Amino acid sequence: AQSVTQLGSHVSVSEGALVLLRCNYSSSVPPYLFWYVQYPNQGLQLLLKYTSAATLVKGINGFEAEFKKSETSFHLTKPSAHMSDAAEYFCAVRLTGGFKTIFGAGTRLFVKA
Amino acid sequence: DVKVTQSSRYLVKRTGEKVFLECVQDMDHENMFWYRQDPGLGLRLIYFSYDVKMKEKGDIPEGYSVSREKKERFSLILESASTNQTSMYLCASGSEQGSGTEAFFGQGTRLTVV
Repeated sequence: AQSVTQLGSHVSVSEGALVLLRCNYSSSVPPYLFWYVQYPNQGLQLLLKYTSAATLVKGINGFEAEFKKSETSFHLTKPSAHMSDAAEYFCAVRLTGGFKTIFGAGTRLFVKA
Repeated sequence: DVKVTQSSRYLVKRTGEKVFLECVQDMDHENMFWYRQDPGLGLRLIYFSYDVKMKEKGDIPEGYSVSREKKERFSLILESASTNQTSMYLCASGSEQGSGTEAFFGQGTRLTVV
């Protein structure tokens, strides 16, 4: 069965520091992988996705993620945090050919001035 | 831009009431989903639909039903609302066309059952 684990329910960084949000998945076959962002009282917005093309995926707002099959990981990074990055981030997995997307529990990112 | 519209941003209902949450998408997506979101639990799938009049149970369907009479509209029904159904409800739509297409989300409905 598929599952997604996000390490750390809360992450706090200083403005200008590196952002690293961790995601590990379990799947018997290579899946599609996604990172979404949610701002307060809003729906989820896609940041980036992995669909078996390049393993390093670039997304919006300067975020990127690297698919590492050997580690079953899809960690999200941004070189320099901005105050506007403060939000909740969700990693998600969907099997190729499947309907269902499974979400992690989410990581809330705090950015300190 | 894809648009998924949920009929209400905030709702307050009484225990035992029948509650309808409506969702409309404008991208001709065949798949539509209802999730509930609770702190520390992420998004949990309640029901999804892959075609008109077709529905499948998700992970937590108890206490809920759905209706999909038209391709663009997917309704979530709480037959008899209870306080443990107080939550944020998110509707999403998506397509199987193309490679790894993502789900598109509405703004969410924050439901409080008192």
